[in-house]
Amino acid sequence: NAGVMQNPRHLVRRRGQEARLRCSPMKGHSHVYWYRQLPEEGLKFMVYLQKENIIDESGMPKERFSAEFPKEGPSILRIQQVVRGDSAAYFCASSPRIGDSSYGYTFGSGTRLTVV
Amino acid sequence: QKEVEQDPGPLSVPEGAIVSLNCTYSNSAFQYFMWYRQYSRKGPELLMYTYSSGNKEDGRFTAQVDKSSKYISLFIRDSQPSDSATYLCAMSENNAGNMLTFGGGTRLMVKP
Repeated sequence: NAGVMQNPRHLVRRRGQEARLRCSPMKGHSHVYWYRQLPEEGLKFMVYLQKENIIDESGMPKERFSAEFPKEGPSILRIQQVVRGDSAAYFCASSPRIGDSSYGYTFGSGTRLTVV
Repeated sequence: QKEVEQDPGPLSVPEGAIVSLNCTYSNSAFQYFMWYRQYSRKGPELLMYTYSSGNKEDGRFTAQVDKSSKYISLFIRDSQPSDSATYLCAMSENNAGNMLTFGGGTRLMVKP
């Protein structure tokens, strides 16, 4: 039973390019969460999605960032026109259903984005 | 002031020592409290989960929550070099798909 799969593991982008981060939740999990971890800091919530729905995007920057979780395929976190401050580790987590969300999180290994 | 405060460490202890890790928080609405362990270049993995105040024990790990003081602790007995990692506390207001608020993490090093 594969865990939460994130790819790529490492991503290097030049300033102004687009970054696409992918997350496939655990089998049977329908809730996906994205968190960002800056160097020497804890994880910061970005967005919570269910299939085809954004439930809570209160942690998403207002511009350049978007997320989706389509009916088929992985969840995508998209960052347009990246800047150096976007360099961070981006973690995806999934949970099976709403009642298990807080303690049922399973995190992926993250995508480390470096903007040069 | 951060919503959840955690001493960043690093905390260095000899093998076999008892380790105490702590977090304080300001939001009295938090009811669910978790400890995650994160190895370098890996995602966080859930260690302990507690609801409201009280203690919970799992093997060498004990989690304590004191809601009156807004203070949570994780104790590790008989620490091992394999416990060397960053420990993150996390909390949420409810169990209904809500976001977790994390502390900044404490880096622990257990020396053989």
